[in-house]
Amino acid sequence: DAKTTQPPSMDCAEGRAANLPCNHSTISGNEYVYWYRQIHSQGPQYIIHGLKNNETNEMASLIITEDRKSSTLILPHATLRDTAVYYCIVRLDSNYQLIWGAGTKLIIKP
Amino acid sequence: DAMVIQNPRYQVTQFGKPVTLSCSQTLNHNVMYWYQQKSSQAPKLLFHYYDKDFNNEADTPDNFQSRRPNTSFCFLDIRSPGLGDAAMYLCATSRDLGQGNQPQHFGDGTRLSIL
Repeated sequence: DAKTTQPPSMDCAEGRAANLPCNHSTISGNEYVYWYRQIHSQGPQYIIHGLKNNETNEMASLIITEDRKSSTLILPHATLRDTAVYYCIVRLDSNYQLIWGAGTKLIIKP
Repeated sequence: DAMVIQNPRYQVTQFGKPVTLSCSQTLNHNVMYWYQQKSSQAPKLLFHYYDKDFNNEADTPDNFQSRRPNTSFCFLDIRSPGLGDAAMYLCATSRDLGQGNQPQHFGDGTRLSIL
């Protein structure tokens, strides 16, 4: 069963920050939040992951609420190549399996 | 560049005719996974190998089998493909199962069509 809820689609203007929300209200204490994206006809690409603290890398930032029930993936300056389906994922602590959400289709518009 | 390579990118087979999909990796990772992804859905884990240890998901049909002859290669065998098995099949690798929080690295998949 999915442990994450995401909006099915979002638009963002090129050059602006894209903020993708995810709810994971049933997440357990040691379960990580992972984000992947999938560009059409390609395999999923790892973006970022976190447990409690906010994380930043060269691709994105991940903001996790203090109660860990939700998070936001931020692409700071979206480009047309960021158009993809973005998956919010909870990694189970019991067997490390990835529980995928349904994904948000992000469309970057010129 | 180190990567996960899947061949072929597109595969067509006939209903009931066995088919094998291939995956190779140059990352020297211990774990290799096979996922099935149907149109507009998230990937669904079929099974994984940790080194030579095979782990099948409970709801993976018996029609799906896998082989890992060495660290670098892993195969997905579909013994008698049905129309419902048409999908994208994704191979992924990770250094370990989850210790150290290493992410999974995916290939670009093989799109399987059943005639």
